[in-house]
Amino acid sequence: SQKIEQNSEALNIQEGKTATLTCNYTNYSPAYLQWYRQDPGRGPVFLLLIRENEKEKRKERLKVTFDTTLKQSLFHITASQPADSATYLCARFTSGTYKYIFGTGTRLKVLA
Amino acid sequence: SAVISQKPSRDICQRGTSLTIQCQVDSQVTMMFWYRQQPGQSLTLIATANQGSEATYESGFVIDKFPISRPNLTFSTLTVSNMSPEDSSIYLCSVRGGQLGTQYFGPGTRLLVL
Repeated sequence: SQKIEQNSEALNIQEGKTATLTCNYTNYSPAYLQWYRQDPGRGPVFLLLIRENEKEKRKERLKVTFDTTLKQSLFHITASQPADSATYLCARFTSGTYKYIFGTGTRLKVLA
Repeated sequence: SAVISQKPSRDICQRGTSLTIQCQVDSQVTMMFWYRQQPGQSLTLIATANQGSEATYESGFVIDKFPISRPNLTFSTLTVSNMSPEDSSIYLCSVRGGQLGTQYFGPGTRLLVL
């Protein structure tokens, strides 16, 4: 079955450093992967999408990579700020069923 | 993007009772989705609700337990029936938008069953 795996352990980093979160998937590569941010008590908010044929996508301080050989996507936040503290979810889109499968998310805490 | 509101935002319920969660979208959409997010778990799709037809339920979820209504293109309800403590969770309403079907989520309903 298709799965999405994210490191369930929280990630603590110092303000100003680059945070790197990992998303691994099983079986065949999804058409695209999405990253979401979820704050406590709120629904997930879409951040970035990367297609299977794209190696990298950027948006302001955010960067996402997609490595189909490693079956992995990396999510980077450069010059991190305490306001970046949240849980970040990875999701794969399954073109066969037109459904999203979400990872459990990684909680990021940026220390001032 | 879509703006989605949910009611109630949270509730504490007794075992054996039912709770209906409302979801309102600021634009007309064909499909609305209901997810459950249990503590420490990923989002799990409960069902897809299309206007004018029966909802489509995912494996492990049944209509008797989670009846869904979709009376028009901007509104849906999810009922959690005969609740048990295992139903304690966050329930999220969602729609898709944009070229690649990005998911937009409501703020969620936090349910605690005693």
